[in-house]
Amino acid sequence: DTEVTQTPKHLVMGMTNKKSLKCEQHMGHRAMYWYKQKAKKPPELMFVYSYEKLSINESVPSRFSPECPNSSLLNLHLHALQPEDSALYLCASSRLGRFDGEAFFGQGTRLTVV
Amino acid sequence: GEDVEQSLFLSVREGDSSVINCTYTDSSSTYLYWYKQEPGAGLQLLTYIFSNMDMKQDQRLTVLLNKKDKHLSLRIADTQTGDSAIYFCAEASVTGGSYIPTFGRGTSLIVHP
Repeated sequence: DTEVTQTPKHLVMGMTNKKSLKCEQHMGHRAMYWYKQKAKKPPELMFVYSYEKLSINESVPSRFSPECPNSSLLNLHLHALQPEDSALYLCASSRLGRFDGEAFFGQGTRLTVV
Repeated sequence: GEDVEQSLFLSVREGDSSVINCTYTDSSSTYLYWYKQEPGAGLQLLTYIFSNMDMKQDQRLTVLLNKKDKHLSLRIADTQTGDSAIYFCAEASVTGGSYIPTFGRGTSLIVHP
């Protein structure tokens, strides 16, 4: 199983809503990542969790709040987003706290903020 | 800082070979990756190479690494229409104890029947 599962696949939310994106993997990977990808652009790193602890926050606005409840799950809580936050949000995982070969992405959540 | 460069477009005929090129600047890069992204989908890991290797072959895919010139290429043999996608090159080097990849802008591969 080399699968990273993200839910939901699509999400439309208003600027006053609170929603969460979920990511799950059962490969025993101990590092998990959130990326944001705008159309026709490469993915941009947002957060890295290593052994369930936040190790990197790429100066992401506080309206994005990550959470790693256990080694298999990663959440991204969204609150008071702006239309410019509309993008594809990708989760990735890797074996240890490093992108060391086995590094897989999920299919993403397509987020639209209205 | 790190920088990864790729040409934006490549057009080939079905059955031909495709070669997608990438250059990077960080000499401490340890892992180099090729990902494929189809429209509306996530990134699919195609292959990766460790920086002490020159070449890696996996079925129709051949990766060549010239570490001296910091040049990475992906060759797809017998290219099919299903290979049409965006291909991202990425290099991972140590940042704060973690290997964080830097992605190129992606090469759109268009395969004509």
